[in-house]
Amino acid sequence: AAGVIQSPRHLIKEKRETATLKCYPIPRHDTVYWYQQGPGQDPQFLISFYEKMQSDKGSIPDRFSAQQFSDYHSELNMSSLELGDSALYFCASSYSRLQETQYFGPGTRLLVL
Amino acid sequence: SQELEQSPQSLIVQEGKNLTINCTSSKTLYGLYWYKQKYGEGLIFLMMLQKGGEEKSHEKITAKLDEKKQQSSLHITASQPSHAGIYLCGADRGVPNTDKLIFGTGTRLQVFP
Repeated sequence: AAGVIQSPRHLIKEKRETATLKCYPIPRHDTVYWYQQGPGQDPQFLISFYEKMQSDKGSIPDRFSAQQFSDYHSELNMSSLELGDSALYFCASSYSRLQETQYFGPGTRLLVL
Repeated sequence: SQELEQSPQSLIVQEGKNLTINCTSSKTLYGLYWYKQKYGEGLIFLMMLQKGGEEKSHEKITAKLDEKKQQSSLHITASQPSHAGIYLCGADRGVPNTDKLIFGTGTRLQVFP
């Protein structure tokens, strides 16, 4: 069965650079979620989109933005990167939202030097 | 403070032994999800529980949600090295228009031959 696809899988950036992470949800899933997992931490919710509109917002820094496109894929844009942004970024998708199981992608490991 | 507490934090068992991981919340859980994560990789969905007293099984893994919907347990029977990983419980608070899952602190399981 098709799973959530994330790209790139690994990314190395320097401070103050920008990064764009991509997420391709499971086919027919219309809701996408972004989570950030720091070393040794549990995943923290950043933002979600339902039918191309932002549906919920968590602890996402103002330096980050995201959107969902007409084909339901999503991109997380991160600017003015800081050392503390180094983490594993997960995308999850679900069939509709609210109490639907979220299926996670393999994650993008971002390292900021 | 952590909204979801997991215990134990880590577990080392011999292959073939049974084990139980607990997830406790101070608030009523509207949806309880169990995920497994290999180090640095994505979260693999295991099971979702919604009803008080609900119990689900898949292969050698059984998850239960108590009647009050504040505690869940994950039981593995006859553990195998393939069960090794980090087990995370995630909760849906049922707050209207909130998509995010809140995760527990995780339980690291090691199974030795």
